[in-house]
Amino acid sequence: AQSVTQLDSHVSVSEGTPVLLRCNYSSSYSPSLFWYVQHPNKGLQLLLKYTSAATLVKGINGFEAEFKKSETSFHLTKPSAHMSDAAEYFCVVSEGGTGNQFYFGTGTSLTVIP
Amino acid sequence: EAGVAQSPRYKIIEKRQSVAFWCNPISGHATLYWYQQILGQGPKLLIQFQNNGVVDDSQLPKDRFSAERLKGVDSTLKIQPAKLEDSAVYLCASSFHRGRGNTIYFGEGSWLTVV
Repeated sequence: AQSVTQLDSHVSVSEGTPVLLRCNYSSSYSPSLFWYVQHPNKGLQLLLKYTSAATLVKGINGFEAEFKKSETSFHLTKPSAHMSDAAEYFCVVSEGGTGNQFYFGTGTSLTVIP
Repeated sequence: EAGVAQSPRYKIIEKRQSVAFWCNPISGHATLYWYQQILGQGPKLLIQFQNNGVVDDSQLPKDRFSAERLKGVDSTLKIQPAKLEDSAVYLCASSFHRGRGNTIYFGEGSWLTVV
């Protein structure tokens, strides 16, 4: 069975400081992992995804995430937060196959303090 | 490339009324998803189509919700009769295929308020 746990429901950082949003997953197979961002009153936008290539994945807007199989983690990071990064972030796991369902975490709300 | 289109963006209805949401996926995308996102929660899959066939509707409240994708392109999600707890954002998403590494792309959502 697949599942995703986002370890923090809220994260607050100062502008210009690093961002760390934590995600642990559970999967019976080799998963695909994603991070999506949702700004207020908007749909979900893909930030980055991991399939089976390099474990360090670079995404849009300076975000990156590292797939660590031994720790079953896929944490999202950014070296320097910008005010425009304030949003809700969702970690998502998928195993592909005939069903190809996507399982969402409960989300992490990122606040950026000026 | 045009994204996933949804309409209407916002709808307010009274309980026991009906509402329908429309979705046009990205051109060429065979798989279409409807998600329900209640405020403060992550999206929950309601129904998944592959072309015009249903792949998964296990979490669709079938006594009041229905969805169709008759020609394998656009789709309609209907709620009848609506309840207060149906207040949510209804997100349509699409993907090119169902294989591993597949990515889903979301529309901007249809916001429903039931009063």
